[in-house]
Amino acid sequence: DIVMTQAPLSVSVTPGESASISCRSSKSLLHSNGITYVYWYLQKPGKSPQLLIYRMSNLASGVPDRFSGSGSETDFTLKISRVEAEDVGIYYCGQLLENPFTFGSGTKLEIK
Amino acid sequence: EVQLVESGGGLVQPGSPLKLSCAASGFTFSSNWLNWIRQAPGKGLEWVASINPDGSSTYYPDTVKGRFVVSKDNAKNTGYLQMNNLRSEDTAMYYCARTSGEYWGQGVMVTVSS
Repeated sequence: DIVMTQAPLSVSVTPGESASISCRSSKSLLHSNGITYVYWYLQKPGKSPQLLIYRMSNLASGVPDRFSGSGSETDFTLKISRVEAEDVGIYYCGQLLENPFTFGSGTKLEIK
Repeated sequence: EVQLVESGGGLVQPGSPLKLSCAASGFTFSSNWLNWIRQAPGKGLEWVASINPDGSSTYYPDTVKGRFVVSKDNAKNTGYLQMNNLRSEDTAMYYCARTSGEYWGQGVMVTVSS
C-alpha cells in the first residue's frame, strides 16, 4: 500500500500569514498519463471533508485562490496564503493513483 | 445543487450486518464513481470501498475485503454499502463521496458494540 506521510502534525498561524503543509508518498504518484494523483482535503470542525486541490495543483471549484498545491512525484506541498480564521481544521493529503486509496494522518491548523 | 445523503447507520452488535445507503442528486450518478470513506472517532480518514460508474467493478482495502460489499443502483441514484460480520473496529462515521471527493455526504454513524 502507498503510505502518505504528512508534516507537521499541527501548525499555529497568525491571521494574514502563510502556512505550508507537507506530504510525502512512499511511491511515485505520477501516472504514465502525466497526471499526479495527489489530493488535498480540509475537514472543518464538525463537518465533512471538502476537496481543496486535485491532481496535485488544481484548485477545486469554489476554493479561494489563497490555496495552492505543488510538488514532485513523491513530495507535495499545500500552501495557504493570508490565512483566515475560517481555514481552521484538519488538512489531509490523499492518493488516488491506485487501490487501496490512502490518506495522510492529517495536519491540524489553528489560529494564533 | 449536488447532494449526497447517507442513511442506515446505528448501533449494532458485533457480528451483525448493516446496510448503508447514499442518495445522490444534482448530477449524473450513472457517470460517476462512488467511494465510501470512514473516520473512527478522533481518527483520520480511511477509504473502505469504491465502485465504478456502471457498477461492474468494485475495490476494497484488506481491512474490509470479504465483509463489505459496495453497489449502486443507477436507476434510483443510490449507492449502498452492505457491511457484514461487523467488528468493534468498524465503529466510525461513514461518508459517501463522489469520484475524487469533490462532493461528500454529511456522514452516518455506525457503532458496533455489545
